[in-house]
Amino acid sequence: AQSVTQLGSHVSVSEGALVLLRCNYSSSVPPYLFWYVQYPNQGLQLLLKYTSAATLVKGINGFEAEFKKSETSFHLTKPSAHMSDAAEYFCAVTPSYNTDKLIFGTGTRLQVFP
Amino acid sequence: GAVVSQHPSWVICKSGTSVKIECRSLDFQATTMFWYRQFPKQSLMLMATSNEGSKATYEQGVEKDKFLINHASLTLSTLTVTSAHPEDSSFYICSARDSGTRGLTGELFFGEGSRLTVL
Repeated sequence: AQSVTQLGSHVSVSEGALVLLRCNYSSSVPPYLFWYVQYPNQGLQLLLKYTSAATLVKGINGFEAEFKKSETSFHLTKPSAHMSDAAEYFCAVTPSYNTDKLIFGTGTRLQVFP
Repeated sequence: GAVVSQHPSWVICKSGTSVKIECRSLDFQATTMFWYRQFPKQSLMLMATSNEGSKATYEQGVEKDKFLINHASLTLSTLTVTSAHPEDSSFYICSARDSGTRGLTGELFFGEGSRLTVL
């Protein structure tokens, strides 16, 4: 079954530092990969999605993610963290084509220190 | 962008009572909506797929008689937690895709969530 693994439940960075949030998918290439952000007591907001059109995907708020088949990874990065980036980030995958179902990773809480 | 609204955003109820949570797509139609459950500091777990005009499809391990789902119109799905108990306390989130979009781009819009606390 398709799944994603997020390494590191907590990541702390200083404001202005590089943000790297890790996500690995299971061995078979998934149809779609996503990164979502969740602010406290809110629903999820889509940051970006991979649909096989391009391996480097740019999203909102300066985030981007690169699909690397050789590493089965889809890590999320941002060159310079901002205080407002502090939130919970979820990697997700669709288990197959022709479905809107999403399988989520366990999430990574990003803390940004001044 | 498309908006999905949930109501209520938070609810407290006594054990044994039933609670209904609404999920509405405000500016688009959704033949399919999804209900997720999120425990504190954990990920979202898909509970069921709500299909307009037909029965919901439940994920393995989710009690369909406990979590009643009704999708009576293209803009509204409801989740009713029947005979709620403290272990049902959780954050419930719905999502929907604009049925008017072609193909499956996989972009779902999420509601803001409903926090249920059962005393």
